[in-house]
Amino acid sequence: DGGITQSPKYLFRKEGQNVTLSCEQNLNHDAMYWYRQDPGQGLRLIYYSQIVNDFQKGDIAEGYSVSREKKESFPLTVTSAQKNPTAFYLCASSIGAFYGYTFGSGTRLTVV
Amino acid sequence: QQQVKQSPQSLIVQKGGISIINCAYENTAFDYFPWYQQFPGKGPALLIAIRPDVSEKKEGRFTISFNKSAKQFSLHIMDSQPGDSATYFCAASIKIGSGYSTLTFGKGTMLLVSP
Repeated sequence: DGGITQSPKYLFRKEGQNVTLSCEQNLNHDAMYWYRQDPGQGLRLIYYSQIVNDFQKGDIAEGYSVSREKKESFPLTVTSAQKNPTAFYLCASSIGAFYGYTFGSGTRLTVV
Repeated sequence: QQQVKQSPQSLIVQKGGISIINCAYENTAFDYFPWYQQFPGKGPALLIAIRPDVSEKKEGRFTISFNKSAKQFSLHIMDSQPGDSATYFCAASIKIGSGYSTLTFGKGTMLLVSP
């Protein structure tokens, strides 16, 4: 079945460490996105990519980095510069405008 | 700043009743308005969507009403069921070039349908 796989489902990080969240899709979608979800805050855009080797900052990119070396993969690194990283992170992909997004099941990151 | 304002934050409806969630936007460049349903611990799933040249769209028990002049749109869930209990997000899309878009989301509405 086609879809988006995010891993791990739960991730714990010590303060000062970088962590990378995985996102893989087999939908053959060109566009991929990372959103952060906090209680009562909705979903906020971190980064997006329309094609391989190209990506753009979203509304809250500070403290995050991404890469897009393959069409299927769009990993997100949460760096130590992100001051409040505890959140639910959602990866999505899209075939184009007017088609909506397909979301993964998310990764819950907790800083301990 | 691109914003989508969603209300209410939470909603309790009796089984069989009508659930209504409202959203408003400012940016007239938004050109596609989807609604997403999210269950705890899961990613959001596309429920229904509308373009601004249409005033209403219905899919089963779910209806979007769209008022372009007021820059408002709403989701109506008819005959609400306990299985509809979830968080609902409205969103608005804006093109980013090359046929793609980004979505701006409302803050969500937690719906509880009581048996």
